[in-house]
Amino acid sequence: DAGVIQSPRHEVTEMGQEVTLRCKPISGHNSLFWYRQTMMRGLELLIYFNNNVPIDDSGMPEDRFSAKMPNASFSTLKIQPSEPRDSAVYFCASSAGTTNYNEQFFGPGTRLTVL
Amino acid sequence: DQQVKQNSPSLSVQEGRISILNCDYTNSMFDYFLWYKKYPAEGPTFLISISSIKDKNEDGRFTVFLNKSAKHLSLHIVPSQPGDSAVYFCAARAYGGATNKLIFGTGTLLAVQP
Repeated sequence: DAGVIQSPRHEVTEMGQEVTLRCKPISGHNSLFWYRQTMMRGLELLIYFNNNVPIDDSGMPEDRFSAKMPNASFSTLKIQPSEPRDSAVYFCASSAGTTNYNEQFFGPGTRLTVL
Repeated sequence: DQQVKQNSPSLSVQEGRISILNCDYTNSMFDYFLWYKKYPAEGPTFLISISSIKDKNEDGRFTVFLNKSAKHLSLHIVPSQPGDSAVYFCAARAYGGATNKLIFGTGTLLAVQP
């Protein structure tokens, strides 16, 4: 069974450009999470969805960041315009259920470099 | 403000010895704690967890200890193996909030020397 799929694995772009990161969660999972990993702050939760509905976006750093989940099998994280400080590894994770604790399964991440 | 802190960015131990990774938290509402392990170029994977009603949970070579009064948890790996070399993240969940929201620490890089 395929795990969480993220694309692209690596993205290099120039400051000011739009960046779109993509995620396909594990089939049947109804919670989806976007994280950003940096050396200074570790793994930060940016936003998460339950049943395709955004529940908590308090971690989204600025209005330049937006996320969508048009259906249960696809989500995007967009940065427009991108800045060098956005350079980080972005992870998508999914989990099943919304009651009690359910393990989060992470994708391999997208390494973003903004020049 | 970091609610979950891993103050040691790195740790080096000899193969066969014990590895102890530490984590401190500030929010007394956290009710569930987890450790995730991350290899380079891969996503984190779940390792072990503990509920706040317990003080110890063991799974093979891995044991997690929770000291609620000190708001401190630790992960013990005995014996350490070279394959354990990875970044370890501590995470916590807040009771009563969104049930699957986790707060992660900054991670500790463990290097197990052969």
